[in-house]
Amino acid sequence: AQSVTQLGSHVSVSEGALVLLRCNYSSSVPPYLFWYVQYPNQGLQLLLKYTTGATLVKGINGFEAEFKKSETSFHLTKPSAHMSDAAEYFCAVSDRGNQGGKLIFGQGTELSVKP
Amino acid sequence: DAGITQSPRHKVTETGTPVTLRCHQTENHRYMYWYRQDPGHGLRLIHYSYGVKDTDKGEVSDGYSVSRSKTEDFLLTLESATSSQTSVYFCAISDLREVNEAFFGQGTRLTVV
Repeated sequence: AQSVTQLGSHVSVSEGALVLLRCNYSSSVPPYLFWYVQYPNQGLQLLLKYTTGATLVKGINGFEAEFKKSETSFHLTKPSAHMSDAAEYFCAVSDRGNQGGKLIFGQGTELSVKP
Repeated sequence: DAGITQSPRHKVTETGTPVTLRCHQTENHRYMYWYRQDPGHGLRLIHYSYGVKDTDKGEVSDGYSVSRSKTEDFLLTLESATSSQTSVYFCAISDLREVNEAFFGQGTRLTVV
């Protein structure tokens, strides 16, 4: 069965510092990979996704993630944190070829940004 | 948000009472999903639908039922609410036209006392 592990339930960075949120997955076949962001009292918004092709994926708000098959990882990065990046971030996977909404989520990482 | 409305947005109910949450979409997407969000667990799939009257169970379906009589509406019913069902419930939609992307509603916060 697939599973997703996000290392660190809380990450705190200073404004302007690098953001690194870690995600590892467990799957016998490389799945589709996603990062979602959730702002307080809101639903989830897709940041970026990897399905096929280039392993470095760029998303919205300056975020990017790299799929590393050998490490079964899909870590999320942003070179310079902004106060508006404070939110909860979820890594998720789905089987290849499915309809897009059957997702297995990680536990979530809450990102705090200090002035 | 991609034309997804969840109602109610907040509800407090007593243990043992039935509760129905509604998800309404205006995108004509084929697939609809119900998830619950709990601290430390992320989101977990409860039930999903791949068309009118076609539904299937997800990871945490015990104690929940669903119905989809129209493309635009997907109902989640707790037949007899328990305190363990206190959670935030999210509806999501997807479609083959939007390959591999799910769109989420704003959520319903349900408290069972």
